[in-house]
Amino acid sequence: AQSVAQPEDQVNVAEGNPLTVKCTYSVSGNPYLFWYVQYPNRGLQFLLKYITGDNLVKGSYGFEAEFNKSQTSFHLKKPSALVSDSALYFCAVRVLNTGFQKLVFGTGTRLLVSP
Amino acid sequence: DAEITQSPRHKITETGRQVTLACHQTWNHNNMFWYRQDLGHGLRLIHYSYGVQDTNKGEVSDGYSVSRSNTEDLPLTLESAASSQTSVYFCASGTRGDEQFFGPGTRLTVL
Repeated sequence: AQSVAQPEDQVNVAEGNPLTVKCTYSVSGNPYLFWYVQYPNRGLQFLLKYITGDNLVKGSYGFEAEFNKSQTSFHLKKPSALVSDSALYFCAVRVLNTGFQKLVFGTGTRLLVSP
Repeated sequence: DAEITQSPRHKITETGRQVTLACHQTWNHNNMFWYRQDLGHGLRLIHYSYGVQDTNKGEVSDGYSVSRSNTEDLPLTLESAASSQTSVYFCASGTRGDEQFFGPGTRLTVL
């Protein structure tokens, strides 16, 4: 089955430090990968996606993600964390099933950025 | 600005009652989706629609139904609410192959 895994339930980082939120995938064929963020009491917001091309993808709010085919990973990164980045982050992969392209989400990683 | 809205935002109901959650989008997207979010499970797909009169079951569709009579709306109905359906429900819309846009969610409690 095609899936993504987020191995960390929570990541803690101090403001100003770099952050990484991990995601690994298991898909057949070329993966289409996404990162979403969820702030408290809000719906998910799209951050970035990898379809093809450059392995480093830049997205909203200064986030970027690195696609690594050999390690089947798509880690989310930011050079300098802000307290306002504290939220729940979801990795997702697009799977093709009888013509329907649906997203399969990971279980989420809570990011806490301390002042 | 285009948006996707859900109502109600919070709902408390009793076991066995029928409940309908509304979802309305003004993006003019053909694809619409319903997910539930539970701790430890992330988001799981309940039902989805490719367009008017099209509906399909997702991975956790038992006890739920949807109908699509126009482009803008995809109401989700719980035929006979169960405590296991206590969850946060998200509606989303999108174009084929592109990212999805999510509503603010409905928190449903079944007592």
